[in-house]
Amino acid sequence: DTGVSQNPRHKITKRGQNVTFRCDPISEHNRLYWYRQTLGQGPEFLTYFQNEAQLEKSRLLSDRFSAERPKGSFSTLEIQRTEQGDSAMYLCASIEQEEGDNGYTFGSGTRLTVV
Amino acid sequence: QKEVEQNSGPLSVPEGAIASLNCTYSDRVSQSFFWYRQYSGKSPELIMSIYSNGDKEDGRFTAQLNKASQYVSLLIRDSQPSDSATYLCAVTGRRALTFGSGTRLQVQP
Repeated sequence: DTGVSQNPRHKITKRGQNVTFRCDPISEHNRLYWYRQTLGQGPEFLTYFQNEAQLEKSRLLSDRFSAERPKGSFSTLEIQRTEQGDSAMYLCASIEQEEGDNGYTFGSGTRLTVV
Repeated sequence: QKEVEQNSGPLSVPEGAIASLNCTYSDRVSQSFFWYRQYSGKSPELIMSIYSNGDKEDGRFTAQLNKASQYVSLLIRDSQPSDSATYLCAVTGRRALTFGSGTRLQVQP
């Protein structure tokens, strides 16, 4: 078990392009979270899944953002028509639901730069 | 009012001193509290959790919780230059962890 894995580590894209990030959670973890972190701020909740069901989405997640978790395993986060304001670190975390309120383990993150 | 508030710092302490980091939260239903350490350009790393009032010690780290005052703190004893990082306070919310903006700690050799 190598922990939560995120790819790519870095992504530079031109404004208006679409990007997709992938997160592979710890294998037995049924909950998966996406957060976004901008410089000088703490991580902000975007959305989370329990197995394959997307249970909640933040208001931060505009309709240009979509997340999926097919078969309850890995998850993807897609941003369409990227804007400079989307530049941030995108973090994924997973947890086994039965662990209750244990803290999350984050992946290494994907740093997005929109130019 | 932010849900989780932290002084952004930087908090500067000399090597070997005690660093004290503070956090207040607004949601009284929060039950679990966490401290994460984040080095520049890296993702947050969980270092402490606390669930009940009082102190919890783990090595050089002590977390303190006062639910009546809605206050969480982290003490780092014998601070080392390698402790220089941003420390994020996180509390359980209605759907997911809510994070503060973090306090930047600088330990001077």
